Amino acid sequence: SQQGEEDPQALSIQEGENATMNCSYKTSINNLQWYRQNSGRGLVHLILIRSNEREKHSGRLRVTLDTSKKSSSLLITASRAADTASYFCATAYRNNAGNMLTFGGGTRLMVKP
Amino acid sequence: KAGVTQTPRYLIKTRGQQVTLSCSPISGHRSVSWYQQTPGQGLQFLFEYFSETQRNKGNFPGRFSGRQFSNSRSEMNVSTLELGDSALYLCASSSRLAGMSYNEQFFGPGTRLTVL
Repeated sequence: SQQGEEDPQALSIQEGENATMNCSYKTSINNLQWYRQNSGRGLVHLILIRSNEREKHSGRLRVTLDTSKKSSSLLITASRAADTASYFCATAYRNNAGNMLTFGGGTRLMVKP
Repeated sequence: KAGVTQTPRYLIKTRGQQVTLSCSPISGHRSVSWYQQTPGQGLQFLFEYFSETQRNKGNFPGRFSGRQFSNSRSEMNVSTLELGDSALYLCASSSRLAGMSYNEQFFGPGTRLTVL
């Protein structure tokens, strides 16, 4: 099963509202990353939070990490129609095979103008 | 800096054929990873190359292979194509050094492969 799982799978909001997406994972991680993907295109890196960090900000993005609950959340404030995309969390961890990076199934965000 | 480029962008093949996809990483990046993205399975890791050596491999059959050249450009090959190989194939490069945890990945636009 996947290391990271996003929740919800889909989210529809009005422009100007905040959007919150959650990611849960199963094993200890080195860092957790969030990516955005516009339809059928490559992923764009948004933010990376290390395992010893609890919160990070980048513009309208706020990411939190709770290692005790093995979960992270991505908050997009004052959403815009251009934020419509799929959002993925990716967990960087180490196992017997070495360093790994595993992506979750993503949250599809639709922001209505 | 130029971004990650992938060629071709679109490809149509028939079952049984083979295909080669190309990826040019960001200048200076030595780590190149390949992913397969499908609606049903999501984004799945294929393999990673670093300094011309495969460092990591996902759970894919041996029909999927790759290589990396001395200039860090990478190719992946899929032989004996199956209908289920239809997918968006994404390449990503990073400044990650061997033995270190994954950092920011820079993705290319992908190659859309359709197998008929």
